Amino acid sequence: QKEVEQNSGPLSVPEGAIASLNCTYSDRGSQSFFWYRQYSGKSPELIMFIYSNGDKEDGRFTAQLNKASQYVSLLIRDSQPSDSATYLCAVKSGSARQLTFGSGTQLTVLP
Amino acid sequence: EAQVTQNPRYLITVTGKKLTVTCSQNMNHEYMSWYRQDPGLGLRQIYYSMNVEVTDKGDVPEGYKVSRKEKRNFPLILESPSPNQTSLYFCASSFSQGARAFFGQGTRLTVV
Repeated sequence: QKEVEQNSGPLSVPEGAIASLNCTYSDRGSQSFFWYRQYSGKSPELIMFIYSNGDKEDGRFTAQLNKASQYVSLLIRDSQPSDSATYLCAVKSGSARQLTFGSGTQLTVLP
Repeated sequence: EAQVTQNPRYLITVTGKKLTVTCSQNMNHEYMSWYRQDPGLGLRQIYYSMNVEVTDKGDVPEGYKVSRKEKRNFPLILESPSPNQTSLYFCASSFSQGARAFFGQGTRLTVV
């Protein structure tokens, strides 16, 4: 089992809809969770991070943690075509001190 | 401007010809790492460094070397590149291990 898993997609949503991206992790002791956005051919850029103590909202983006089921979600409200990218989940587990990345979910927002 | 700078951005080389990809950060970060990104496999860590003269293997270190003689620089060395090292490479730095990572622009390497 991979430490961090994401559905590769592609996930397509119409403009204005809510895009929901999920990431599951295997280490129950994981402490920090990061969401990166990566446009094709570009480097990943951080858009959200949360700790094990709660959810977070930042503009159109909300990150939610479900510790019991060991997954973290990223919700993008009012999706825009400019949100079309690959979204990478990264987790700092309790045992391995470095970040472990998922393989990413490709999101396409259709005009 | 806070940034991580990699060079070159694109590189085509032949099998066996030694090459170095440079990485420099201006944020005084202690932790630096190298990743390779391949379709369907996501970001895989090659090597990391927790501080000057402290380096360690990541998940896929075979065929690579690194050094950390100065805090700001963390070059990636391929002593004898092979076609299976064709990939997109990213250097990243962070304040500490497991903290938010800042990525360089990427180096697309092709080994023929």
